[in-house]
This record gives sequence, C-alpha cells and structure tokens, in this order.
Amino acid sequence: AQSVTQLGSHVSVSEGALVLLRCNYSSSVPPYLFWYVQYPNQGLQLLLKYTSAATLVKGINGFEAEFKKSETSFHLTKPSAHMSDAAEYFCAVTASGGGTSYGKLTFGQGTILTVHP
Amino acid sequence: SQTIHQWPATLVQPVGSPLSLECTVEGTSNPNLYWYRQAAGRGLQLLFYSVGIGQISSEVPQNLSASRPQDRQFILSSKKLLLSDSGFYLCAWTTGDPTGELFFGEGSRLTVL
Repeated sequence: AQSVTQLGSHVSVSEGALVLLRCNYSSSVPPYLFWYVQYPNQGLQLLLKYTSAATLVKGINGFEAEFKKSETSFHLTKPSAHMSDAAEYFCAVTASGGGTSYGKLTFGQGTILTVHP
Repeated sequence: SQTIHQWPATLVQPVGSPLSLECTVEGTSNPNLYWYRQAAGRGLQLLFYSVGIGQISSEVPQNLSASRPQDRQFILSSKKLLLSDSGFYLCAWTTGDPTGELFFGEGSRLTVL
C-alpha cells in the first residue's frame, strides 16, 4: 500500500522567493511519484514525475523535484516564485510494476500556494 | 491529440434526486478510466476505475455507481443523492504510459442541497 503526506496545507511566499512544497511518501515497493497542479475550478495538470530514471526531475514552469529514497521524500521546488504559480499542488504516488495498481494514484491532501507581490 | 471532456461543469441538486455525470475521451482507444472525488481539504479519493467496456471496480463503498457503456465513455451515477455527495468530481484516463500517469478532465462541481 502507498500513502502520501504533504507537510503544510498552505504555503505563502513573496514573488521572486524560493518555493518549497514538501512531500513524503510511503510505499512497500519502488514508487512512481508525481506532482500535479490545480488552478481554481479546473482539473489537475502534471508538473513532473519520477520514474526511477533520475533522482532530480525537471518539470514544466521551472519546477523541479528531487527523489530522496533515504528520506522517503519528493519535495517540489522553484527558485523564483511568480504570481501565476498561485494554485493548489498535489503530490501522488503509485506502485511501479503496473498490475492492479496501474493508474491508481494515491494523492496527498494538497498544498495551497499563495504568492504575494 | 487526446482530450477528455466532462459535463456538466456545475450541478446543483436537491437531496434525494438522481445524478448522472458523463466523461468522454477522444483521440485514444481502450483507455483505463477513473473517477476521483475531491472534497474540500481532503485531497483526491479514487471512487471507480474501469479497464474496459462493462468492467467497473469500486474502491470505496458509497452511494454512487459507475458504468462504461462504450470504450471511451464513463458515467458516474446515483439514484438518490446525499448531502455528503457534494464535491468536485474528476474523470481521468491513462493508456500506454508505463508509469500510469493520469490525464484529468476539467471536473464537475456538484452541490447537493
């Protein structure tokens, strides 16, 4: 079974500041990990995903995340926040290897990012 | 390219009324289809998934049901809505990607009064 914990339901940063959204996971098998972004009243859009090819994953809009197995973490970062980054962000995990877990993502509770001018 | 459509986008229904939310995927065949519900502050919960026509798996016991009458159509239904059914319902699909990455629709917001 898999689980995800996102530390901090709300994060507030100033425009131009570093963005750090925390995600810790639990998985009994090697995981695939995802970060999705959701703008108000819209669906989820994939930012990036970890598939075991590289521990530092670069995504869209300048975001990146680092997989740290020893810390069971997959934190999302962006060096300089932009007003357009204000949204809700979800970390998700699924088991690698497919089978009955294929496509069944377990999501964290979400982190709302606010960007101040 | 593949697209996914959900409708209606917004729905306000009285308690005890029926529900039908529809999801259609275009540009792909034989997708895996999923219904997730998002309640305020509670993340996303997988409700149903389907690997083919007529094949439905339920993840949690509830007042809802799902059907897949065609390859690229997925319907979420209820005979009698409860207040607790309120939420944002998201349809998603995946096919071919070994990681099972999901692609989401725009969602349907249901308010039960």
